[in-house]
Amino acid sequence: DADVTQTPRNRITKTGKRIMLECSQTKGHDRMYWYRQDPGLGLQLIYYSFDVKDINKGEISDGYSVSRQAQAKFSLSLESAIPNQTALYFCATSDPDKSHDYGYTFGSGTRLTVV
Amino acid sequence: LAKTTQPISMDSYEGQEVNITCSHNNIATNDYITWYQQFPSQGPRFIIQGYKTKVTNEVASLFIPADRKSSTLSLPRVSLSDTAVYYCLVGPFSGYSTLTFGKGTMLLVSP
Repeated sequence: DADVTQTPRNRITKTGKRIMLECSQTKGHDRMYWYRQDPGLGLQLIYYSFDVKDINKGEISDGYSVSRQAQAKFSLSLESAIPNQTALYFCATSDPDKSHDYGYTFGSGTRLTVV
Repeated sequence: LAKTTQPISMDSYEGQEVNITCSHNNIATNDYITWYQQFPSQGPRFIIQGYKTKVTNEVASLFIPADRKSSTLSLPRVSLSDTAVYYCLVGPFSGYSTLTFGKGTMLLVSP
C-alpha cells in the first residue's frame, strides 16, 4: 500500500458543486500539505497542517477549505467548484523530527476537472 | 525562503552524465538545498538533500560550493527513465516553514 493515498484519482465535476478530495497517510507524519499543479507549472501550496490542531493557509487558499480529521487524514474541499480549479492536486507529508531530513512524501495525485 | 533559478529545460542522451545547476544567491545560513524529481502525472519524489560540499546517494550527487550560492545536481549515466522535471528547493532544515516549488527543469533523455 502507498504511504500517502489520495482519493479519488480522477474526478469530473460541474461548476458550483462541492467536492472533497481525501488524503490518508501511513507514515505517522505530523505535517500534511495540499498542493495544486497546473500544466507546465510548479506546485502551489494551498493549505498545510503541522499537527491535528493546526491549519494554515498557503499561497492560493481562496476557494478551498481543509479538515484535519486525524493525524493520518487531511481533506481538501472545494466549496463551489469553478473551471479554473481544474488541476492536478497533490497531498504530501513530512516530519523532520522523525525522518531526519526535509523530504516530503507525495501522493499520486487527484486529477480534477471542473466543467 | 530563498529564490532559486534553474534552466527551464535540458536535453541529454542515454549513458551521459547530466548536471543541472541551480542558483540561490540569497540562501540563508540555516537553509538546506533539496532536489525533487517528478514524472508526468505523479507526485514529486525526494532525490537528495545537502548543506555544503558534496552529498552522494544511490541516485545522484549534489555539489555545493563553499559560498553556497549555487548547487549542481549530477545524474550519472542517465537512462530514458530519468526523463522528468527536476526541482531545486532551498529552505530551513527543521523549522516551521513550507517548501516552495518553482517550475523546475524539464530533462529529456533521448536514445
